[in-house]
Amino acid sequence: DTAVSQTPKYLVTQMGNDKSIKCEQNLGHDTMYWYKQDSKKFLKIMFSYNNKELIINETVPNRFSPKSPDKAHLNLHINSLELGDSAVYFCASSQDRERSGNTIYFGEGSWLTVV
Amino acid sequence: QKEVEQDPGPLSVPEGAIVSLNCTYSNSAFQYFMWYRQYSRKGPELLMYTYSSGNKEDGRFTAQVDKSSKYISLFIRDSQPSDSATYLCAILLVEYGNKLVFGAGTILRVKS
Repeated sequence: DTAVSQTPKYLVTQMGNDKSIKCEQNLGHDTMYWYKQDSKKFLKIMFSYNNKELIINETVPNRFSPKSPDKAHLNLHINSLELGDSAVYFCASSQDRERSGNTIYFGEGSWLTVV
Repeated sequence: QKEVEQDPGPLSVPEGAIVSLNCTYSNSAFQYFMWYRQYSRKGPELLMYTYSSGNKEDGRFTAQVDKSSKYISLFIRDSQPSDSATYLCAILLVEYGNKLVFGAGTILRVKS
C-alpha cells in the first residue's frame, strides 16, 4: 500500500486553465504538506496543514489554494495556470508537528506541464 | 544567501569509493538535520536524521553534523551503482510547523 499517494502523476494543460492535484495519506499522520520542485531540482515548501488547520503558507501566489477536507487529505487547486507553474509538486505527511525528529514522508510527485 | 547551500554536482565516482556529500547552513535555529535520497522520477526518501553535533552511522551511511561551523556531511562507504541518485540535505525548523528547508541536491553517479 502506498503511504502518500497523489494523483495525477502527470498533467499537461494549457495556460489559463484551472487544475487540481489530490493527495491522500494512509499513515494516520496529523500534518500534511505541499512542496514544489522546480526545473533545477530545488525543493521548496508551499503549504502545511495540521489537523485541517493551515500552519505554513509560504510566499505562494493566491492562484494556489490548498484544501484539506480531513486530516488524511490535502488537495492543491491551481487557478489560471501560467507557464512558470510547470514543476513537480510533492505531497508529504508527518506524524505530529510538535514531536521532535519527525519523519516527513513524500509522495511520488505530480509532474505538471503548462503549455 | 540561501539558507542551505549544497553543491549540485554531478559527482561521479567508481564503484567501491567513499563518497562525501556536504552542505552548509546559515540559520542557527535549525534543529534537525536530514539527508534524503531521490531517485529519478520518484519522491525523496529519508536516509538519516540527527539533531546533535557528531556522527551517526547506519550501515554504509554516516551523517556528520558540526553545529559550530554550520556544516553537515553524508559519507557513503563502498558505494554501489544503486546509490546513484540525487542526495538532498534538509534542515528542519520544528517551531515553524515542521518547516523542512532543502539544499539544492547533489547528483551522485557511481560507475560500475
